[in-house]
Amino acid sequence: NAGVTQTPKFQVLKTGQSMTLQCAQDMNHEYMSWYRQDPGMGLRLIHYSVGAGITDQGEVPNGYNVSRSTTEDFPLRLLSAAPSQTSVYFCASKPGTYNYGYTFGSGTRLTVV
Amino acid sequence: AQSVAQPEDQVNVAEGNPLTVKCTYSVSGNPYLFWYVQYPNRGLQFLLKYITGDNLVKGSYGFEAEFNKSQTSFHLKKPSALVSDSALYFCAVSRSNAGKSTFGDGTTLTVKP
Repeated sequence: NAGVTQTPKFQVLKTGQSMTLQCAQDMNHEYMSWYRQDPGMGLRLIHYSVGAGITDQGEVPNGYNVSRSTTEDFPLRLLSAAPSQTSVYFCASKPGTYNYGYTFGSGTRLTVV
Repeated sequence: AQSVAQPEDQVNVAEGNPLTVKCTYSVSGNPYLFWYVQYPNRGLQFLLKYITGDNLVKGSYGFEAEFNKSQTSFHLKKPSALVSDSALYFCAVSRSNAGKSTFGDGTTLTVKP
């Protein structure tokens, strides 16, 4: 049981490049979310999904796209990377039937230069 | 809208002493409240939750939290701190069974021998 798997763990991008952060969970969780963590700002919600085919915006969605074609996968796409997107990104999932806490991945540390 | 405030950036306690990490929240309707812990270079781990019922909730690693509706607070407590409890602690709130949780900015707990 791997839980929530994020790849890559580290990435350096040049301004303007695009990339996809991968997130997969094997717990059959309905809810999945992407957060970014910046020093002194806690975790801020980027996008979330309550099930396959359903996504919605969080607090800071600009510059990011998501899709949820399967229950297991929830990739986050950076369309045109900017230095302001330098951050640690966490994917998380939880069941939809009860309000359990989230299970988090180990994070992706992204640097945009 | 929903929000969480963790008024202390840093809490320092001596090993063996009781600890409290404070959290206040704002949400419409009944709150679903959570505490998470983050160790260095790791993802967040779920500690405990309040959904309904008893105001004192017990969680992992000997932690507990007290829900106070009139003060809109959900403080994390432990009767006797360990050096290994040193970490970053996050409080989170969600409204009903919605998928998105709002996190506080985090409190760094340092337990000194």
